[in-house]
Amino acid sequence: DVKVTQSSRYLVKRTGEKVFLECVQDMDHENMFWYRQDPGLGLRLIYFSYDVKMKEKGDIPEGYSVSREKKERFSLILESASTNQTSMYLCASGSENQPQHFGDGTRLSIL
Amino acid sequence: GQNIDQPTEMTATEGAIVQINCTYQTSGFNGLFWYQQHAGEAPTFLSYNVLDGLEEKGRFSSFLSRSKGYSYLLLKELQMKDSASYLCAVRDRVRDSNYQLIWGAGTKLIIKP
Repeated sequence: DVKVTQSSRYLVKRTGEKVFLECVQDMDHENMFWYRQDPGLGLRLIYFSYDVKMKEKGDIPEGYSVSREKKERFSLILESASTNQTSMYLCASGSENQPQHFGDGTRLSIL
Repeated sequence: GQNIDQPTEMTATEGAIVQINCTYQTSGFNGLFWYQQHAGEAPTFLSYNVLDGLEEKGRFSSFLSRSKGYSYLLLKELQMKDSASYLCAVRDRVRDSNYQLIWGAGTKLIIKP
């Protein structure tokens, strides 16, 4: 079974803090994705990566950055957290023409 | 532009059949996925259609018509555990050979005894 592991299920941070969300997959997938999910809006793509050290902006990259130094790990960084970044964050991985597999999600609250 | 529409909420009775529709408009269609998501959990993969027709997998079936930009997910013999949100997602070409998934907002399915 594909295993996508996110470092935290719940996280509470303060406005202005730098926040790191980590994601690790064990299936040697080339592609990794970071989404946020808000009620009524569905999944929105923040950033994705097709290879090590490669990153591409998704639909809502503002206020975020990512890092992919190793194939199995994809990190999402909130440079200076704001209250409108309170959300559920989902990491996914997959190969071409295969379904994406998701981690359990991180529910992030910014106070 | 890219757009995916599915009903916000549906209600059905345990043991019955329900059909969840999804319509889409994309520029470089390359397949449609259905995912199930229970409250507070991550989405899990249900089905994938890239050619027209019906794909059956146990109690769940998914249908695709590319000419109509239309898909449905059919759930038979409904069980209480089927209460969840069902997400429709379309793989769309963004440039060259790269693809992204475009997601619908999801349909919340409520099963009543």
